[in-house]
Parts: sequence; C-alpha cells; structure tokens
Amino acid sequence: DVKVTQSSRYLVKRTGEKVFLECVQDMDHENMFWYRQDPGLGLRLIYFSYDVKMKEKGDIPEGYSVSREKKERFSLILESASTNQTSMYLCASSPRDYSQSYNEQFFGPGTRLTVL
Amino acid sequence: AQSVTQPDIHITVSEGASLELRCNYSYGATPYLFWYVQSPGQGLQLLLKYFSGDTLVQGIKGFEAEFKRSQSSFNLRKPSVHWSDAAEYFCAVGARYGNKLVFGAGTILRVKS
Repeated sequence: DVKVTQSSRYLVKRTGEKVFLECVQDMDHENMFWYRQDPGLGLRLIYFSYDVKMKEKGDIPEGYSVSREKKERFSLILESASTNQTSMYLCASSPRDYSQSYNEQFFGPGTRLTVL
Repeated sequence: AQSVTQPDIHITVSEGASLELRCNYSYGATPYLFWYVQSPGQGLQLLLKYFSGDTLVQGIKGFEAEFKRSQSSFNLRKPSVHWSDAAEYFCAVGARYGNKLVFGAGTILRVKS
C-alpha cells in the first residue's frame, strides 16, 4: 500500500518560532509537494520538488522554505511563524514516469498547524 | 493560467438521493481533470480522472463524471448517496506531462438521513 506520512497531525507554535513539517513517502517517488489548505480556498501549492535537492516555487511560497536532502523526505520550513500561517498543510508525492501522461498524486493525512 | 471553479460551497442531500457536484475549469489546451475526496481528518483520495476518450468516466465508490468541452465542465455524479459519502470534494485540473495540479475551493457534502 502506498504511504505518505507527516510527522504531526496537530501542532501548536508561537509567533516567531521556527517550524519544521516533515513528510516521508515510501513509494520511491521523484516528485513531492507541499500544499496549504484553507476553507473556501481549496489547496494551494507552496513548493514542490522534482528531485533530491531540487525545488520549485508554487503559488504561495512567501514565508516558507523547503528542504529535500533524501528522495523519500521533503520538509517544509516556516522560518518565523506568523498567525496567518495557521492552516492545514498537506504533503503529496507522485512518480515521474514520462511514459504516462499523468502521474497520480498521493496525499498524506495533513498537519493542522496553529500559530498563537 | 489554469483555474477551477466549484460554485457550491456546501450541498446537503438525503441518503439515497442522487448527487451532482459542479466543476468548471479554465485551461487553454486539452485539460486533464480530476476529482478527489477528503474524508474528515484524512488526506485526499483520487476518485476518478479524465485524460481523453470517452467523456463519461467511472471512478471508485460508485462515482462518475462527465467531461463537457463546450461547457468547460467536469461534473461529478452519484445515483444514490450513502451516509459515508459525507466529505469534501475537490475538482482539479492539470497539464499533460505536467507535475502540478490546480484545485478548486472544494464542495462540502452533507448527507441527511
């Protein structure tokens, strides 16, 4: 069974703290994604990575950075957390197979982050 | 740029009734279209996808969707809703051989007994 895991289901942090959200996939996928989910806005892409040490900005990268040192692990970093970063964060992964026209994204259960 | 509109934020249907969730997209080329479902406290699960060919696609859990190019729509349907279908549903559009998806805002489905 394919699996994407996220380090925490719920997290509470204080304004100004540095926050790490971890995501691990066991499917040997090349692509990994971080989304933010807010009511009425759907999922918005923060960053994605198509290979180890490679990253690309998504639609809302401001205030976030990412790290991908190993293929299976993709970290989202909030350098200085702010209250407007209170949200649900979803990680996803997908294979990169150019013989197929599309490769399904597999999602983790999400981390609900509250910044006080 | 790609975009997706789900006009209904909330929908309530009675158990056993039929369901249709609306999705309209904007994309310059042939779109790749998806419906995902998110049960409470869970990640997203793919229900079905459309790439090409037959415009009526079947998915898991008894769902189907119809691609209508002339209306730029990809509406999700189910003939008889079960209480376990209560969840949030997301429509998404992607590009061929692309890595990224653009999601709609989601529709929350409530099922009443």
